[in-house]
Amino acid sequence: SQQGEEDPQALSIQEGENATMNCSYKTSINNLQWYRQNSGRGLVHLILIRSNEREKHSGRLRVTLDTSKKSSSLLITASRAADTASYFCATESGGSYIPTFGRGTSLIVHP
Amino acid sequence: GAGVSQTPSNKVTEKGKYVELRCDPISGHTALYWYRQSLGQGPEFLIYFQGTGAADDSGLPNDRFFAVRPEGSVSTLKIQRTERGDSAVYLCASSSWGGGSTDTQYFGPGTRLTVL
Repeated sequence: SQQGEEDPQALSIQEGENATMNCSYKTSINNLQWYRQNSGRGLVHLILIRSNEREKHSGRLRVTLDTSKKSSSLLITASRAADTASYFCATESGGSYIPTFGRGTSLIVHP
Repeated sequence: GAGVSQTPSNKVTEKGKYVELRCDPISGHTALYWYRQSLGQGPEFLIYFQGTGAADDSGLPNDRFFAVRPEGSVSTLKIQRTERGDSAVYLCASSSWGGGSTDTQYFGPGTRLTVL
């Protein structure tokens, strides 16, 4: 079963625009992570936000977390063609350190 | 150093056959995870090793799936009597200690298994 659900499923933008992806989840979490995946292969960890944090930044990435709405967003600013990939949110809940992944958002950035 | 490696990168087999998928974690990482990813889905947890022992195998779908990590490093995922529904990308990840939520998992490139 999948805890997080990303929205939209697919996003197509022009280079230079911002890309926003959302993740909603069902149960209380310890933390939420965002991953990137190119070409259906290995995932790369982007950023982790703890349940007591509201916003984190890493380079062109900005992640927010609203635990009252059980949702998170990933913003990529000034997108580049190289940002084309699938982006997944993953949540950890309770005493488990096993992340549960959503279905992902497929982002295409046109040069 | 080298990242997580997985072999083979692609495996095509026939229904009913036995397959083994190998994962070489980052040197020194005590935690190792196996996931399965079907087309259009996120990775689905299968099993987690802490050292040589399986700390959590709750994600294994049935008894045709088995994994070992005899020396606490390389791991092998074994699938008996393969079925067409087993076709997926099998991902392996390792982390330095696996005991905390801030322990980043590093993923390998995956093995694409196709069962004909």
